[in-house]
Amino acid sequence: AQKITQTQPGMFVQEKEAVTLDCTYDTSDPSYGLFWYKQPSSGEMIFLIYQGSYDQQNATEGRYSLNFQKARKSANLVISASQLGDSAMYFCAMRPYNFNKFYFGSGTKLNVKP
Amino acid sequence: DGGITQSPKYLFRKEGQNVTLSCEQNLNHDAMYWYRQDPGQGLRLIYYSQIVNDFQKGDIAEGYSVSREKKESFPLTVTSAQKNPTAFYLCASSRFGANVLTFGAGSRLTVL
Repeated sequence: AQKITQTQPGMFVQEKEAVTLDCTYDTSDPSYGLFWYKQPSSGEMIFLIYQGSYDQQNATEGRYSLNFQKARKSANLVISASQLGDSAMYFCAMRPYNFNKFYFGSGTKLNVKP
Repeated sequence: DGGITQSPKYLFRKEGQNVTLSCEQNLNHDAMYWYRQDPGQGLRLIYYSQIVNDFQKGDIAEGYSVSREKKESFPLTVTSAQKNPTAFYLCASSRFGANVLTFGAGSRLTVL
């Protein structure tokens, strides 16, 4: 069975500071991909970053980086230099490579304070 | 520009009525998905389809039906058997083996 756990329902961060959003996963598949999506209040889902289970280096995309610790089955999202526009829901997701299904966590609501 | 179009954006339904949510993609993606999102919660998979004329139930398929007659289209019908249909519905698509899932803008269904 596949499971994604996001233990932080809500978080606050001061503008220009860094913030880490936690994500742990459970899978018996040896190969998988990990994803983070942002959902603003408009409801659209915006893809942020991807990490493959065999990737040796942590993925980075601009201000986003994924802190991947395979042994601990964690895939935390780090947002550097937070901006007011970063206020949104953030979802962690996983796709086992043997299946074309994507599994999502319950999300973390991030509020960036000016 | 390629993308996924969901319609309508807002839909109101009386109890006992069936409604159909449209999802069309021009990305030439093989797989299509329907997710349901309740306030403050994550996405739950309703149905998914990997090829035309084939689809599989997700985790919460009861009270929903789908069809996949064309690669580009994956409509979702919310039937009267769905006891609590008020939610935000997201359609998505991906290529086989792709490392990204592309979403539509969503449809918000409210039962009056």
